[in-house]
Amino acid sequence: GENVEQHPSTLSVQEGDSAVIKCTYSDSASNYFPWYKQELGKGPQLIIDIRSNVGEKKDQRIAVTLNKTAKHFSLHITETQPEDSAVYFCAASPLRGGYNKLIFGAGTRLAVHP
Amino acid sequence: DTAVSQTPKYLVTQMGNDKSIKCEQNLGHDTMYWYKQDSKKFLKIMFSYNNKELIINETVPNRFSPKSPDKAHLNLHINSLELGDSAVYFCASSPGTGLETQYFGPGTRLLVL
Repeated sequence: GENVEQHPSTLSVQEGDSAVIKCTYSDSASNYFPWYKQELGKGPQLIIDIRSNVGEKKDQRIAVTLNKTAKHFSLHITETQPEDSAVYFCAASPLRGGYNKLIFGAGTRLAVHP
Repeated sequence: DTAVSQTPKYLVTQMGNDKSIKCEQNLGHDTMYWYKQDSKKFLKIMFSYNNKELIINETVPNRFSPKSPDKAHLNLHINSLELGDSAVYFCASSPGTGLETQYFGPGTRLLVL
């Protein structure tokens, strides 16, 4: 079936520390793995994504790693800042019937304390 | 300019009523989606349209009926509202149907009393 597990559900760090969020997916047909950030009262916004032919991708303080064999992917945020506080969602996208759809994890509430 | 917009932002109504939520995107995208986010923040796809054609239809009660009058609009009509329909409903769009970014609207907060 289609399932994405995300851990931890809440994460509290001090400003400047690193934060790591991990996800596991079940559908081996998944080939696209985006990460979304949702601030209070707003819609989710893409922050980084990775495709199945890539193992790691970095964009400034944000990096994502993918282990297709283990069906794991992770988000790493370095030098965290208070404005990083939000709910983060991982997603996996299996190709079905010629269309990709997003299966989201349950979300991680990240709190960065000054 | 708002890329994906939804109206209304808030919707409070009684059980049994019928209501509609509207979505518009000005990104020129071919694909639009409706998602439901429950009180625990769990985000789940409901429907997707590509060029006005329904391509994804998850296990959703048939009280929910999406309509796409054109590529830029995707509306959601809900009949006989139930308490469990209370949630935040997000519209999203993407250029196509493949491995692409989905752009989300600000959400419609529906409360059924």
